[in-house]
Amino acid sequence: EVQLVQSGGGLIQPGGSLRLSCAVSGFTVSDNYMAWVRQAPGGGLQYVSVIYNDGDSHFADSVKGRFTISRDNSKNTIYLQMNSLRVEDTAVYFCARDHSTGRYDYWGQGTLVTVSS
Amino acid sequence: EIVLTQSPATLSVSPGERGTLSCRASQSVYSNLAWYQQRPGQAPRLLIYGASKRATGIPARFSGSGYGTDFTLTISSLQSEDFAVYHCQQYDDNPTFGGGTKVEIK
Repeated sequence: EVQLVQSGGGLIQPGGSLRLSCAVSGFTVSDNYMAWVRQAPGGGLQYVSVIYNDGDSHFADSVKGRFTISRDNSKNTIYLQMNSLRVEDTAVYFCARDHSTGRYDYWGQGTLVTVSS
Repeated sequence: EIVLTQSPATLSVSPGERGTLSCRASQSVYSNLAWYQQRPGQAPRLLIYGASKRATGIPARFSGSGYGTDFTLTISSLQSEDFAVYHCQQYDDNPTFGGGTKVEIK
């Protein structure tokens, strides 16, 4: 059975840093594209970042230079390191498997990040 | 950035009736379009990809159609579990999502 279990998140002040984790079982993260997608309160979904199977990555313009994505193959886990957080980064963050063509077929349960003073 | 516009924002349908949701792209995305269902407090679930292919385990009452800039998700006979928010997403370019359509009980 495929499972993506997320951890991290919480309340953080503007300018702060936070790391989200997504532990995967049922497939190997290093063989797949893995993405982060977020959803602002009451809002739509927004692509954040993807890490490709070759280790390369891509970011939405809104987070470029502030967020990094990585993976630990030994733990079959991906991470989203979020620095210089802004109020507008407040959202539920989901990890998801990107089926290499850009569609997301497995999702984590989501974790809330609230950026507020 | 490719903008996706979903309509209507809210669709009121009685159980057993047909529901038709629309998604329009600001430029052609060919058939690189997916639909997701999201119930309150849950993650999105992939329903349709490639504009018309049902994802694994998705009931046949869900169907997708369209190509280029105009796409439709049809739910042939709405069941109680289908009342949710539906999102379209294009993956022809950097992924973007529509604003969502809420399907509510009439």
